[in-house]
Amino acid sequence: GAVVSQHPSWVICKSGTSVKIECRSLDFQATTMFWYRQFPKQSLMLMATSNEGSKATYEQGVEKDKFLINHASLTLSTLTVTSAHPEDSSFYICSARDLAGGLSSYNEQFFGPGTRLTVL
Amino acid sequence: SQQGEEDPQALSIQEGENATMNCSYKTSINNLQWYRQNSGRGLVHLILIRSNEREKHSGRLRVTLDTSKKSSSLLITASRAADTASYFCATAFMNSGGYQKVTFGTGTKLQVIP
Repeated sequence: GAVVSQHPSWVICKSGTSVKIECRSLDFQATTMFWYRQFPKQSLMLMATSNEGSKATYEQGVEKDKFLINHASLTLSTLTVTSAHPEDSSFYICSARDLAGGLSSYNEQFFGPGTRLTVL
Repeated sequence: SQQGEEDPQALSIQEGENATMNCSYKTSINNLQWYRQNSGRGLVHLILIRSNEREKHSGRLRVTLDTSKKSSSLLITASRAADTASYFCATAFMNSGGYQKVTFGTGTKLQVIP
């Protein structure tokens, strides 16, 4: 149980195009999903917190108009990188937290396998 | 900004030896988790220790938590070549918005030489 999937696993796009990444919780409902970005040889940096049915909360320094997050259902959140540029090339990882008191009483997050974005 | 700092940044040991990684953090936490990441892959959850726990074991893993020093350690005993990966600590705490936030440390890159 507690599986989170991401699609696509990797994507290459031209500069200026938009890319959508999906994050799904497969066997549990996630009221909250998180989006992280990881540059090569660095740690994960939280970009935004996505709550089902409401606007995402972005971390300082993350452009909300560039990284559009939609969490329309309890099992799906999407991250759209708009007008992508080479500096947006990174490994994007989502995580999902189950409903309070669900799988874990300690609000453990379950991570997806990541999406590698390369912008040419 | 990152909550956790890990040391060492890189560790190279022989197979069979023990590996110890340390994590220090800055603010009060609800729990601390350790994750493993193979190169270019997603994260694998290893172990979670609550703020009121001092030690936890899982197989060859032993985690300690010292909230007075705001530090944790991960010990991997009898290491194997397959343990080669990057290891991250992640601290969970309640933020000003009232929800739990997880931030990651800088990571330790472990290499186990066969």
